[in-house]
Amino acid sequence: KNEVEQSPQNLTAQEGEFITINCSYSVGISALHWLQQHPGGGIVSLFMLSSGKKKHGRLIATINIQEKHSSLHITASHPRDSAVYICAVRSIGSQGNLIFGKGTKLSVKP
Amino acid sequence: DTGVSQDPRHKITKRGQNVTFRCDPISEHNRLYWYRQTLGQGPEFLTYFQNEAQLEKSRLLSDRFSAERPKGSFSTLEIQRTEQGDSAMYLCASSLGRGNTEAFFGQGTRLTVV
Repeated sequence: KNEVEQSPQNLTAQEGEFITINCSYSVGISALHWLQQHPGGGIVSLFMLSSGKKKHGRLIATINIQEKHSSLHITASHPRDSAVYICAVRSIGSQGNLIFGKGTKLSVKP
Repeated sequence: DTGVSQDPRHKITKRGQNVTFRCDPISEHNRLYWYRQTLGQGPEFLTYFQNEAQLEKSRLLSDRFSAERPKGSFSTLEIQRTEQGDSAMYLCASSLGRGNTEAFFGQGTRLTVV
């Protein structure tokens, strides 16, 4: 079993829909990252959080440390949100390297 | 551009050849990470530098792989005697390394071994 599990693996939505991507992890962590990867490979960091909730524009990330679970929400989705969204954790005691989920491929149709 | 840059973006090589990739981190970042990502998978940790010291290597990093960061600035990742299984995206990331700091990623180098 992977240390970081994401669901769903693939998600297709209509423009304007509210989207939720889930991440569960099995290790103790010092931080959790949500990342966005577009075709071509480059990765952009969306959020880094260790507790509570963060919001940036139409994106919201929440984390429940006790339940070892995080969610990424996208409100009013748009075709330009189409990308792979990756959850990654920094385990306690690590040197900073991240453990990644396999990613959720999101496609938003106009 | 003050982000993390990687060169080349794409590399096609014949099996058995050696290849070298370069990563230039954000200038004030003292931590540098290499990851490998195969199709449909999340990235996997390869190795990590704090300044010029290579502090951790994954068991994924076989003897054919070597990484350096000679002056604590840019880093190189060399793969000797490439195999088809080495085909992947090689990602570099850097961070300040003090406490829980955000990692910044490069665009990656996509290696295809034919």
